[in-house]
Amino acid sequence: EAQVTQNPRYLITVTGKKLTVTCSQNMNHEYMSWYRQDPGLGLRQIYYSMNVEVTDKGDVPEGYKVSRKEKRNFPLILESPSPNQTSLYFCASSSLWTGQETQYFGPGTRLLVL
Amino acid sequence: AQSVSQHNHHVILSEAASLELGCNYSYGGTVNLFWYVQYPGQHLQLLLKYFSGDPLVKGIKGFEAEFIKSKFSFNLRKPSVQWSDTAEYFCAVNAGYNQGGKLIFGQGTELSVKP
Repeated sequence: EAQVTQNPRYLITVTGKKLTVTCSQNMNHEYMSWYRQDPGLGLRQIYYSMNVEVTDKGDVPEGYKVSRKEKRNFPLILESPSPNQTSLYFCASSSLWTGQETQYFGPGTRLLVL
Repeated sequence: AQSVSQHNHHVILSEAASLELGCNYSYGGTVNLFWYVQYPGQHLQLLLKYFSGDPLVKGIKGFEAEFIKSKFSFNLRKPSVQWSDTAEYFCAVNAGYNQGGKLIFGQGTELSVKP
């Protein structure tokens, strides 16, 4: 089954404790992206990757890092989480991005930073 | 900077009522437009998209949207809603390949359909 998977689905952590949210897709997609969803703000793009070893900032990259060493994986790293990073995070992927492709979303990771 | 505005934050309708959700964007050049839906507890999925051709686009589950370039709008419509349409709806825009991989979403509109 074609899908985007994220782990963990739920995470409670404390300020400053590094964490990684994994994202994996099995559709051989070149493009992958991370979003955060907050009430009243919709989805905002954190980082995206057009292909392996090619990443770029979205609209809200501060406090986050990403890497794309393999085509299927695109982990999101919070080196020193803060309470304002409490949010619902979605990973998405699509075929080579020209701006017209459908993005396929993962199930989301709900993060609480205390 | 590009932005996407959805006028209604929460819409409540009775079954069989007609639906129109507003979406306006701020980019003046060529755009690619999307509507995504998020059912309760589920991840986002595509309803429909527009990038060229007929400005009236039909999507899944009886939804359609009309691109009006002069109004910078891409409103979502459905003639008769069902209880199962209860969800949050997001409009999104990408300003083409020269804007890289950025996809800008609106704030979302929560639709509640009363049985």
